[in-house]
Amino acid sequence: GQNIDQPTEMTATEGAIVQINCTYQTSGFNGLFWYQQHAGEAPTFLSYNVLDGLEEKGRFSSFLSRSKGYSYLLLKELQMKDSASYLCAVKNDYKLSFGAGTTVTVRA
Amino acid sequence: EPEVTQTPSHQVTQMGQEVILRCVPISNHLYFYWYRQILGQKVEFLVSFYNNEISEKSEIFDDQFSVERPDGSNFTLKIRSTKLEDSAMYFCASSDLAGGPNEQFFGPGTRLTVL
Repeated sequence: GQNIDQPTEMTATEGAIVQINCTYQTSGFNGLFWYQQHAGEAPTFLSYNVLDGLEEKGRFSSFLSRSKGYSYLLLKELQMKDSASYLCAVKNDYKLSFGAGTTVTVRA
Repeated sequence: EPEVTQTPSHQVTQMGQEVILRCVPISNHLYFYWYRQILGQKVEFLVSFYNNEISEKSEIFDDQFSVERPDGSNFTLKIRSTKLEDSAMYFCASSDLAGGPNEQFFGPGTRLTVL
């Protein structure tokens, strides 16, 4: 089975840094994705990790430890538009298995 | 920038009726997927499709569901006899390859409401 856990909600101030943790226990692993989803919209791709370590893309970074079944998404220099749900998803063969998402609220 | 499109954006139907949700994947993509998201819940995988056949399906994808690529551009999800619990946002996605960092691009979704 698939078990992917992430916090339900986080709040941070504009300009700050927020780290969203994700732990997973899955029957297979072909990579871990982070998606952003604004309310009522489709998920949009943020990052991908398959090897241990940190991947940096502008204000967003993602880290993976396969031995610990752990990943995090780091959002730096938070902007109001970053208020959204952030979805951790594990790739196994063809499918993505998603966590329930972490709703990040950015306050001025 | 190429994108996945879906029609309709919102479908309202009576319980027991058949619905067809339509998707146009990105043109050079080979792998197609359907996911659903019940309001307030997580995104759930339904089915993946490659080379005109189902490559993987979840336990949600039972006999009332079917997928088809009727022509070179459309990809459809049919629900034969809708139930109240089928009410959800249905997302189509596509990717050019299945493995590695090849992201799945999601369409804007069809909100299905079963009354």
